[in-house]
Amino acid sequence: SQTIHQWPATLVQPVGSPLSLECTVEGTSNPNLYWYRQAAGRGLQLLFYSVGIGQISSEVPQNLSASRPQDRQFILSSKKLLLSDSGFYLCAWSLPGQGPRGSPLHFGNGTRLTVT
Amino acid sequence: GEDVEQSLFLSVREGDSSVINCTYTDSSSTYLYWYKQEPGAGLQLLTYIFSNMDMKQDQRLTVLLNKKDKHLSLRIADTQTGDSAIYFCAESMKDSSYKLIFGSGTRLLVRP
Repeated sequence: SQTIHQWPATLVQPVGSPLSLECTVEGTSNPNLYWYRQAAGRGLQLLFYSVGIGQISSEVPQNLSASRPQDRQFILSSKKLLLSDSGFYLCAWSLPGQGPRGSPLHFGNGTRLTVT
Repeated sequence: GEDVEQSLFLSVREGDSSVINCTYTDSSSTYLYWYKQEPGAGLQLLTYIFSNMDMKQDQRLTVLLNKKDKHLSLRIADTQTGDSAIYFCAESMKDSSYKLIFGSGTRLLVRP
């Protein structure tokens, strides 16, 4: 069965410091990978998605970047954090293509980032 | 354009039925999903419906789809306190990204 690991679970970082959040998926090959952000009391905003190694699509211009150095590894980064980067970051994966259930996303447990 | 809207809050008494509503705008959506988020956790897939279906039932959950009005609803029968959570509807984009566009979530509070 497939599993997704996301770490760290919580992070407190000062403004201007760098950021690196990591996500790995096990039990499947060539998954689609996604980074979402959930601001307090709000819905989910898609930040980045990747359909293959080295292929990154950005949905919202911002202070963040993403990389996919390996097939099942997705990294969210920032060189200098802003206060507005605080939020709950969720990594997700889906099977490549569309199957009998469409292509539902499967989420990690999230990282709560507080920028102080 | 892509937009999914939900009411923000719903309060029901334990044992009653809950109905959470959602509207979407992209008529080319193929699949629509309902997710549940408990406090401090990720999102859990509850159920889905294909766009050529009108209804789908899965134990206590019933999904209704009105494609003409682009309206989706989730009915939870015999709502329990453990059902208290945020519920998100999402539509699947038909392009190769297969990304999901989420609503803002409905917070369901079940009163004992």
